[in-house]
Amino acid sequence: EPEVTQTPSHQVTQMGQEVILRCVPISNHLYFYWYRQILGQKVEFLVSFYNNEISEKSEIFDDQFSVERPDGSNFTLKIRSTKLEDSAMYFCAIRGQGGGEQYFGPGTRLTVT
Amino acid sequence: KQEVTQIPAALSVPEGENLVLNCSFTDSAIYNLQWFRQDPGKGLTSLLLIQSSQREQTSGRLNASLDKSSGRSTLYIAASQPGDSATYLCAVAASGYSTLTFGKGTMLLVSP
Repeated sequence: EPEVTQTPSHQVTQMGQEVILRCVPISNHLYFYWYRQILGQKVEFLVSFYNNEISEKSEIFDDQFSVERPDGSNFTLKIRSTKLEDSAMYFCAIRGQGGGEQYFGPGTRLTVT
Repeated sequence: KQEVTQIPAALSVPEGENLVLNCSFTDSAIYNLQWFRQDPGKGLTSLLLIQSSQREQTSGRLNASLDKSSGRSTLYIAASQPGDSATYLCAVAASGYSTLTFGKGTMLLVSP
């Protein structure tokens, strides 16, 4: 199973601040996804990223959010001006080879105060 | 819009019981269905992937079935153990590269 790491594991920030969440797949992958899970709610899709471009995004992924792959390995999610309602677990996922199975990282818990 | 529902929301069983978790989806035009396990405050661990052309998949004590036409999947856990206690999530994909749509999960507690 492909391994995905995420940093930081927990981030506390004040409302209005910018945060950058990082995802590092252990091996080379082309397809990345960001999901989030607000406490007690479903896991929700944010954005998918293929070949250094956004391939799909949800209604949640508004202008406050951006993604990039700055150095060809790390994959980042930036929230420009955090709101209280951005508090959630953020998961990075990669698409494995073959049948489309997705593998998730351990998540970053974002707390906005 | 695809909707995924999981029943029951919570389940408590004594160790050793066999159990079934249910997942239903509204749009049968799926590419695959994936079952995950989530421990409290942790990430998602992929348990089983069923392609739309398959009827079931097995891994150890886990068996997942898929009835695409009726929009249903079940996860069967044999001889449950306390270590199986976790939340089990079902998710469907419309294509091999598309996003996953998740259910809310079934919280399972297996008591010794």
